[in-house]
Amino acid sequence: KQEVTQIPAALSVPEGENLVLNCSFTDSAIYNLQWFRQDPGKGLTSLLLIQSSQREQTSGRLNASLDKSSGRSTLYIAASQPGDSATYLCGVAGGTSGTYKYIFGTGTRLKVLA
Amino acid sequence: NAGVTQTPKFRVLKTGQSMTLLCAQDMNHEYMYWYRQDPGMGLRLIHYSVGEGTTAKGEVPDGYNVSRLKKQNFLLGLESAAPSQTSVYFCASSYRTSGPDFGPGTRLTVT
Repeated sequence: KQEVTQIPAALSVPEGENLVLNCSFTDSAIYNLQWFRQDPGKGLTSLLLIQSSQREQTSGRLNASLDKSSGRSTLYIAASQPGDSATYLCGVAGGTSGTYKYIFGTGTRLKVLA
Repeated sequence: NAGVTQTPKFRVLKTGQSMTLLCAQDMNHEYMYWYRQDPGMGLRLIHYSVGEGTTAKGEVPDGYNVSRLKKQNFLLGLESAAPSQTSVYFCASSYRTSGPDFGPGTRLTVT
């Protein structure tokens, strides 16, 4: 059974700092992994999608990496800004069962202080 | 192109009442999902569907039923609502090789 864990659960950093959010999964037979952002009381916004054959994806100040063999992904945020404050969720599709269902971690709540 | 829409946006139910949440997508996605989100619990998968006429259980299926009679619609039913089902419900859809697109959510309160 696929399980997804995100560490840390909460993070508070000063503006301008580079930071790393972690996501780990127990079953490495995944199809893809996606990072989302969720603002309080809102829905989920897709940030980066990494297919199982890829090692990383970049968009602006965001870089996501994937290491399937170790069951890990990281989301790197460069030069953090107060507008980056949100909850970041990692979702994983697939597993040894072969079914394409998306399982999520509990998220990392990020606060960037001005 | 409306993406993923959910109806209703808010609902208050009394214990024991029933209701149906409707999810619709206009992107011709094969896969559709229902999640619930509770404080500190992240998103938990209730049921999902890999195509028209098929459904499967997720992580927390008890107390819910689903149907996918048309490819573009995925219905989530609560036959006898309980206070433990107070939550925000999100619907999502995807192609087999893509990440999910999410709807705006339905906030359900059961008193």
